[in-house]
Amino acid sequence: GQQLNQSPQSMFIQEGEDVSMNCTSSSIFNTWLWYKQDPGEGPVLLIALYKAGELTSNGRLTAQFGITRKDSFLNISASIPSDVGIYFCAGRLMNSGGYQKVTFGIGTKLQVIP
Amino acid sequence: EAGVTQSPTHLIKTRGQQATLRCSPISGHTSVYWYQQALGLGLQFLLWYDEGEERNRGNFPPRFSGRQFPNYSSELNVNALELEDSALYLCASRAISGIAAGELFFGEGSRLTVL
Repeated sequence: GQQLNQSPQSMFIQEGEDVSMNCTSSSIFNTWLWYKQDPGEGPVLLIALYKAGELTSNGRLTAQFGITRKDSFLNISASIPSDVGIYFCAGRLMNSGGYQKVTFGIGTKLQVIP
Repeated sequence: EAGVTQSPTHLIKTRGQQATLRCSPISGHTSVYWYQQALGLGLQFLLWYDEGEERNRGNFPPRFSGRQFPNYSSELNVNALELEDSALYLCASRAISGIAAGELFFGEGSRLTVL
C-alpha cells in the first residue's frame, strides 16, 4: 500500500533533549496528522494541521504543515521518559466524493534514556 | 465517553482457519475504518464502512471482508488465514462534528497470531 516517507525510523535520545522527526510525500495532502502509539495500545491523535504553512503546538509538541503540502515535521522539546513510543505521521486527502484517504507513515520509534 | 472498543484483545489461530474481529465505534460516530499493522510496516488501510455500507477497501485480497451493523459496530473477517496475516488489527471511528471533526480515533487493537 501507499506509504509516506517518515524519518528517522528509530531514535535514542537522552531525557531533556529535543527531538525532531519528519514526513515527506510525493503527493499533496489537505491535512497532516501526527499520532503517538504506546506499546500495546492504539494510536492517539496528537496534532492535526489543516493549512499549508500552519504551525501548531500542543504542550511540548510543535508540528508544521509544509508550504508545498507534501511534508510535515514534529518537534518534541525537553523529552521525558513517557514520550517513549511510536510516532506516526498521516496525510489526508479528501476527494470530490467526500471520501477521505488517510495514508500513514511507517512510524518513528522513540526511546528516551533517563 | 467510551472510546473505540475492540475485541478480542488477542486471538490465536492456525493456518486455514477463519478469524472474526469486532469493533464498537465512539457513540455518535458512523464511520469505521480497519487497518492492519504488521511488524515494521506501519498502518495499512483495509476497509472503510459508513452508514452500513462498504465505502472503500485497501489493497488486500477478498478473504479480508467485513460488515457494519445498524448500531454502527463493525466486524472484520479474515478467511483462510495465512501466517503473514499475523498482525495488530486496528479499528478507528471518525468524528463527524466538533473540534476534531474528520479525525480518526483508534481502538487498542486486536492482536491476531496465526500459527
